[in-house]
Amino acid sequence: AQSVTQLDSQVPVFEEAPVELRCNYSSSVSVYLFWYVQYPNQGLQLLLKYLSGSTLVESINGFEAEFNKSQTSFHLRKPSVHISDTAEYFCAVSDGAGANNLFFGTGTRLTVIP
Amino acid sequence: EAGVAQSPRYKIIEKRQSVAFWCNPISGHATLYWYQQILGQGPKLLIQFQNNGVVDDSQLPKDRFSAERLKGVDSTLKIQPAKLEDSAVYLCASSPRTGIAKNIQYFGAGTRLSVL
Repeated sequence: AQSVTQLDSQVPVFEEAPVELRCNYSSSVSVYLFWYVQYPNQGLQLLLKYLSGSTLVESINGFEAEFNKSQTSFHLRKPSVHISDTAEYFCAVSDGAGANNLFFGTGTRLTVIP
Repeated sequence: EAGVAQSPRYKIIEKRQSVAFWCNPISGHATLYWYQQILGQGPKLLIQFQNNGVVDDSQLPKDRFSAERLKGVDSTLKIQPAKLEDSAVYLCASSPRTGIAKNIQYFGAGTRLSVL
């Protein structure tokens, strides 16, 4: 079975500073990896995904994540954060086979300080 | 393209009452999921439908929870009777059946349930 660990429950960072949100997964099969963002009182929005191909994936708002198979990690990074990036970020994994279910981490609350 | 629609957005009930949530997936998406998100936790899958058939309901507490997708489009999740620990956000998601996009789930805004 798949599982996801997000070690940091809360990450405060100053505006325009870089940030990294950590995500590690466990799986015995090939995986698909996702980062979702959740703004207050809203549903989950897909931020970026790794399905195949290049291990470095990027979003349209400056986030990137790198799939590292040897370290079973999919850390999310942004070189310069904005106030509007304040939200909850969830890492998720699926095996893409059978029921294709998503397994989520417990989330990281990113707070950008002006 | 319209997203996943859910209603109501908020619901407050007393324990032992019943409640129902509705979800309309993205048009053409054959697969529909219901998740439970308890405060401070990540979403947990309750049930997955492929068209009107159940693919996985292993995490659904079947003594009190039920779900249906009779015509393979919209879906209803019901809790009867509700317990205090059912307080959570109930998220609906959908995905296409085929192609690489079948691995991507799109979420609705959720229904926040408070059981008093």
